[in-house]
Amino acid sequence: GAVVSQHPSWVICKSGTSVKIECRSLDFQATTMFWYRQFPKQSLMLMATSNEGSKATYEQGVEKDKFLINHASLTLSTLTVTSAHPEDSSFYICSASSPLTGDNQPQHFGDGTRLSIL
Amino acid sequence: DAKTTQPPSMDCAEGRAANLPCNHSTISGNEYVYWYRQIHSQGPQYIIHGLKNNETNEMASLIITEDRKSSTLILPHATLRDTAVYYCIVRVGYGQNFVFGPGTRLSVLP
Repeated sequence: GAVVSQHPSWVICKSGTSVKIECRSLDFQATTMFWYRQFPKQSLMLMATSNEGSKATYEQGVEKDKFLINHASLTLSTLTVTSAHPEDSSFYICSASSPLTGDNQPQHFGDGTRLSIL
Repeated sequence: DAKTTQPPSMDCAEGRAANLPCNHSTISGNEYVYWYRQIHSQGPQYIIHGLKNNETNEMASLIITEDRKSSTLILPHATLRDTAVYYCIVRVGYGQNFVFGPGTRLSVLP
């Protein structure tokens, strides 16, 4: 089945540094990928929609200058958390699906990246 | 996307069938019903989806009522590894994100 890979799975860094998270579709091409954030004991919340070859679309309340999204190829989207602070600590998850097999196909999710800012 | 309503938690004995209900009374004609689950500290795992017919795969069965206003996910023989949060989502099609509600926390008990 379709596989989405995220890297790294876990990262700890100091406040003020930038962190890049990669999301890859391993066996299909994805023109659209989604980035979610999940705080402890809460559900997933959509942050932004990543579109290959164009600017990402951000949800209300998500700072586009802080969460930089690049979708430079059909198999890779990256999320960079710039100048990270402790309140950015969260579980970040991406998803993607292939458009070639029908528009009702499920999204496939990565295993997430747990980000801890000290 | 249509809002869904699920019970916040359920228990199920190991080896028994787990029946997880979902209400989606405002679903529109072109919206599919999807089920995912999330085991602690992992990304959501796709289980099954359907439009109006009942569906079955190696993981579960999905029963959708005739009026499509509700559905039930059935795990035929629950194991301890099925303990997770289960999400019922309705979505119209490709390019649309999934809107996650709080889901149902299923605890499979030995």
